[in-house]
Amino acid sequence: KAGVTQTPRYLIKTRGQQVTLSCSPISGHRSVSWYQQTPGQGLQFLFEYFSETQRNKGNFPGRFSGRQFSNSRSEMNVSTLELGDSALYLCASSLVGTSYNSPLHFGNGTRLTVT
Amino acid sequence: ILNVEQSPQSLHVQEGDSTNFTCSFPSSNFYALHWYRWETAKSPEALFVMTLNGDEKKKGRISATLNTKEGYSYLYIKGSQPEDSATYLCALGGSNYKLTFGKGTLLTVNP
Repeated sequence: KAGVTQTPRYLIKTRGQQVTLSCSPISGHRSVSWYQQTPGQGLQFLFEYFSETQRNKGNFPGRFSGRQFSNSRSEMNVSTLELGDSALYLCASSLVGTSYNSPLHFGNGTRLTVT
Repeated sequence: ILNVEQSPQSLHVQEGDSTNFTCSFPSSNFYALHWYRWETAKSPEALFVMTLNGDEKKKGRISATLNTKEGYSYLYIKGSQPEDSATYLCALGGSNYKLTFGKGTLLTVNP
């Protein structure tokens, strides 16, 4: 069974630009979550989607948005990039979401660098 | 703000040593506790999901215990091997579809 696939793996953008990251979950998984990791911080929750609906959003500015498609694939978008947005962005899928005690299955992440 | 604390921050052990580390969390309104292993250049991998006070789970040489009344979980590795070198993350789950992660314990096993 193929794992969680994230594209691209690496991205370099300049301040003010916008970026879209993509995530394909494990087949059959309907919940997709996004997390951000910056140096010295634990993984910070961005949002969670299930059947195209956002069920929760983390404490991030409105520049961070996401969506999920009918095939469960998900994208996240960051507009008006700031230097502080440089981070590793991890996508994770689960069968029905962690509130039903499903473990997360993570992708390899997208490393975003903003210059 | 929910705080999940892990200690120690890092640990160096010799091959064959047994080791353990701690995850502390607020004991009120406990829902679930997850453990993940994150090796360099790979993606985090789920080890355990624990929900009941007194839960003990085992996977090979790795085991975990849970005390929800006092708000802690221990992860044990018996006879550490170099391939156990990784960052071990714990995370608190809730009814809101998110996990709150600790900052992790970086384990280095020297051959």
